[in-house]
Amino acid sequence: EAGVVQSPRYKIIEKKQPVAFWCNPISGHNTLYWYLQNLGQGPELLIRYENEEAVDDSQLPKDRFSAERLKGVDSTLKIQPAELGDSAVYLCASSSGLRNTDTQYFGPGTRLTVL
Amino acid sequence: AQRVTQPEKLLSVFKGAPVELKCNYSYSGSPELFWYVQYSRQRLQLLLRHISRESIKGFTADLNKGETSFHLKKPFAQEEDSAMYYCALSWGSNYKLTFGKGTLLTVNP
Repeated sequence: EAGVVQSPRYKIIEKKQPVAFWCNPISGHNTLYWYLQNLGQGPELLIRYENEEAVDDSQLPKDRFSAERLKGVDSTLKIQPAELGDSAVYLCASSSGLRNTDTQYFGPGTRLTVL
Repeated sequence: AQRVTQPEKLLSVFKGAPVELKCNYSYSGSPELFWYVQYSRQRLQLLLRHISRESIKGFTADLNKGETSFHLKKPFAQEEDSAMYYCALSWGSNYKLTFGKGTLLTVNP
């Protein structure tokens, strides 16, 4: 089992450019999360999916961020246009979604640098 | 609003010494508390959760509702315990995890 897979692992772009991150959750996990982790901080939830439905996107800056989870499996997080302050690690996690105490399994993250 | 506070950014101990990583939370109800760990060059992973009342890798954590704390303890630290530790909470039917800023533990030989 590869666990949660994310790509790319690293991305360097210039400000105002678009960028996309991809996540493949653990097989059978209905719940998928995108977290943002700034340097020196803990992860902060951006969006949570139950299957293909975004059930909590209250923390997602919708003016420039978007996400989708077509078919309820893989997910893509997009930023357009990127700003300098978006430089951070973007983490994807998944869980079975049966209970709120279920273990969330994290991917390795994508480290974004915006120049 | 829910908040998790880890007062120590850095904690350094010698091998064999006891270690305690502090975690305080603010939430008026009954939260679920977790400790996550990230070893060097590895992904973030669950260490333990209070509801399981378990000991993992010699670590334990007790939820103290009176002091709103969930400190992580180990009686004899090992070098392989060196890592970043995050305390987190969730509440009610909310699956969202609120994390603290983390404590970097270094266990010296």
